[in-house]
Formats: sequence, structure tokens, C-alpha cells
Amino acid sequence: EVQLVESGGGLVQPGGSLRLSCAASGFTFSRYWMHWVRQAPGKGLVWVSRINSDGSSTSYADSVKGRFTISRDNAKNTLYLQMNSLRAEDTAVYYCARVFTGNAFDIWGQGTMVTVSS
Amino acid sequence: EIVLTQSPGTLSLSPGERATLSCRASQSVNSSYLAWYQQKPGQAPRLLIYGASSRATGIPDRFSGSGSGTDFTLTISRLEPEDFAVYYCQQSTFGGGTKVEIK
Repeated sequence: EVQLVESGGGLVQPGGSLRLSCAASGFTFSRYWMHWVRQAPGKGLVWVSRINSDGSSTSYADSVKGRFTISRDNAKNTLYLQMNSLRAEDTAVYYCARVFTGNAFDIWGQGTMVTVSS
Repeated sequence: EIVLTQSPGTLSLSPGERATLSCRASQSVNSSYLAWYQQKPGQAPRLLIYGASSRATGIPDRFSGSGSGTDFTLTISRLEPEDFAVYYCQQSTFGGGTKVEIK
């Protein structure tokens, strides 16, 4: 079964750090570009970051640039999001997603909740 | 950065009715990169349409996408009970969403 499973979310204080993981299975992970998307409680979807298939190219939303780092380990079939200097406005469910074609995301994880609060 | 504006914000319809959702881009976009998603409470989004008009695997043919340039439309020909949800368009960023609710 093709699936993505996120982990690593939790409660963190403002200014703290967290690393999210996204474990891929059922497909050849190294062939696909991957993205992180977040959704604050009761709000819409917001694109966060993307990485190309071999990890050589990354891109970030302005709101997280300089604080978040996307990476991948193709040998472990795992995508990561290192989040530093966390703010209250980073509170959200974080989803990883696979690019199908163009920029369409055909496979999504179940999401992991990140809460930034003192 | 391209901004996607979805309208209406909420659509109140009855099962069996036709739903027409709009997505307008702040500048012309490549149709190959326009997608639509459905999201139900507590669930991850699900890809419905990619390339502006191609249905994703397993998506019923009551869902259709159209448009080009700056104006795109998602149409649900006859609403089924399971279609009441929030719908998002996406290019690189996402639109704000349209909630389709039961009237």
C-alpha cells in the first residue's frame, strides 16, 4: 500500500525546535519530489516547503524561510522538516505530500500536530 | 507570488443539485499546474483534479474541472451526501477554500 506516515509533532515552547519525519512506503520514494503543507486549526491549507527527488533543490514559503529546513534520506525512504525558532503562528497540522504530476499532490500523510505555546 | 481566490466562501446546496466552484488567479497560470482537492473534517486532503481538467484515480465522473489563464472551475454535477466538504484549488499556493454545505 502506498502511504506516508508523519511523526514528531507535539507541544513546544516559543523559540524551541522540533523535527518532523515522514516515512514513505509502497513506492519508490527516491523518484518523487515531496512537499510539506500545514493547516492551522480551523484554517485553510498553506504550502510550507518542497524538495526535489535527490535533495539537491529546496524551496520555502517566506513565512518559514531561514527557520525551517527540509531534507530527505532516500536510503531510509524518509522526508524531514527541521523547525527552529518556532512561533505561536506555526501551530498547525503538518502534512507531507507526494508530487504526482505538475504540482498536484496525490498522496498525503495523515498529518502530525505541532503546538507552539508556553 | 500568484494568489488564488476562491468563491464563494460557502455554498449551501441540497443533494442532487449542481455545484459550481470558482478559482481565480492573480495572474495567468499554467493549466498543467492547477489542481483541486477535497477535504473532510479530520482528514487529509484528497486530490480530485490535476492539470485543470484531468480526474485523479478513483474520482467519480460527477467531478469535472475546466478553465484556463486566470479562471478555473470545479463542477460537481449532482451532489452526493459524501460530497459535502471543503474544496481547495492549488497552483503553487492554495486558494482559501470553498465549503460546500447541506442546505
